[in-house]
Amino acid sequence: DQQVKQNSPSLSVQEGRISILNCDYTNSMFDYFLWYKKYPAEGPTFLISISSIKDKNEDGRFTVFLNKSAKHLSLHIVPSQPGDSAVYFCAAQHGSSNTGKLIFGQGTTLQVKP
Amino acid sequence: DTAVSQTPKYLVTQMGNDKSIKCEQNLGHDTMYWYKQDSKKFLKIMFSYNNKELIINETVPNRFSPKSPDKAHLNLHINSLELGDSAVYFCASSQDNPGTQPQHFGDGTRLSIL
Repeated sequence: DQQVKQNSPSLSVQEGRISILNCDYTNSMFDYFLWYKKYPAEGPTFLISISSIKDKNEDGRFTVFLNKSAKHLSLHIVPSQPGDSAVYFCAAQHGSSNTGKLIFGQGTTLQVKP
Repeated sequence: DTAVSQTPKYLVTQMGNDKSIKCEQNLGHDTMYWYKQDSKKFLKIMFSYNNKELIINETVPNRFSPKSPDKAHLNLHINSLELGDSAVYFCASSQDNPGTQPQHFGDGTRLSIL
């Protein structure tokens, strides 16, 4: 039972264009969401997060949008750069949990072409 | 100056052997985690310790035993290794518990069982 799903295994965009990565979740008790970026042979690194009390959070070229009614979040990267090529993981956390337990999606591989 | 370091990076061993993976963080974090990334690329939490106390223990076989000698270290010992244990194991840490602070990951240990 996969509670966090990233249905697109891969995405390819041209440098300078927008990259949109999507994530769906099923558990309405999730109230904190994060995006991690992972390069080959490295661990995931934190990118951006959003609390369920917000519908948008922006940090430089990265913006995360949350649609609670649809149980959907997306990560927008504008403009995309070749260095953004990596695997992007969406993760969610249960609100009443005080354990830090994150549920991860299976990742989307982004390729930004020069 | 690595924040979360795991050793070894690669581990190749025979079925039935016992092996350990070490993890150390120099971030002063209180909480540490072990994740398993299987062949389908899902990152799933296995264990979490907060100040040396076990707070998450997912449905992991008893052959897996975490040990936290102090809050900067969380080691993973695996007995009687099986083929299905082949995966990449990631250690992570975060500032506090509850874990709405982003988790910082090590670069992973790729375990291959022959």
